[in-house]
Amino acid sequence: AQKITQTQPGMFVQEKEAVTLDCTYDTSDPSYGLFWYKQPSSGEMIFLIYQGSYDQQNATEGRYSLNFQKARKSANLVISASQLGDSAMYFCAMRVSGYALNFGKGTSLLVTP
Amino acid sequence: NAGVMQNPRHLVRRRGQEARLRCSPMKGHSHVYWYRQLPEEGLKFMVYLQKENIIDESGMPKERFSAEFPKEGPSILRIQQVVRGDSAAYFCASSPTLGLEETQYFGPGTRLLVL
Repeated sequence: AQKITQTQPGMFVQEKEAVTLDCTYDTSDPSYGLFWYKQPSSGEMIFLIYQGSYDQQNATEGRYSLNFQKARKSANLVISASQLGDSAMYFCAMRVSGYALNFGKGTSLLVTP
Repeated sequence: NAGVMQNPRHLVRRRGQEARLRCSPMKGHSHVYWYRQLPEEGLKFMVYLQKENIIDESGMPKERFSAEFPKEGPSILRIQQVVRGDSAAYFCASSPTLGLEETQYFGPGTRLLVL
């Protein structure tokens, strides 16, 4: 069975600091994709970053980077230089085959001034 | 390039009524997915459609729920005889192609409240 686990229900970080949001996954399939989405209080789902299981390097997109540790089955999201607008729910998701994304329960991030 | 559009954004129904949720994918996207988000939960896959075809509805309840993506017009998620447990946010996503790495782009969601 495929499973995504986000163990941090809530996180605080001070503005301009970096923060790491944890995500572990479970699959026996060697081929999979990992995604992070942001859901602000307005409710929409915003795609942030993607990491493929065969990618040699960690994915980066602006202030977002993905710390991919395949042996540990973890795909943590790192947000550098946090901004107030980063306050939101963050969801980790995995796709093993086909099309369905399997989401974790999310982590609520609050950025304080 | 407009994003995925969903309407209505909010929908209130009484128990036993029907709910119809609409989704227009991004231009050039022929793959549509519906997800449901219960309070305090992540999104759960419901159904995957291509034009005029339901490809996978394994995540959709067997009764009362149906989905379509006609040749012309938006994709529709239909819930008949709604119950309070159907209250949730329903998200539609689309992608241009199919693949492990393919990003699904989400609409703003429809918040359904069943009274």
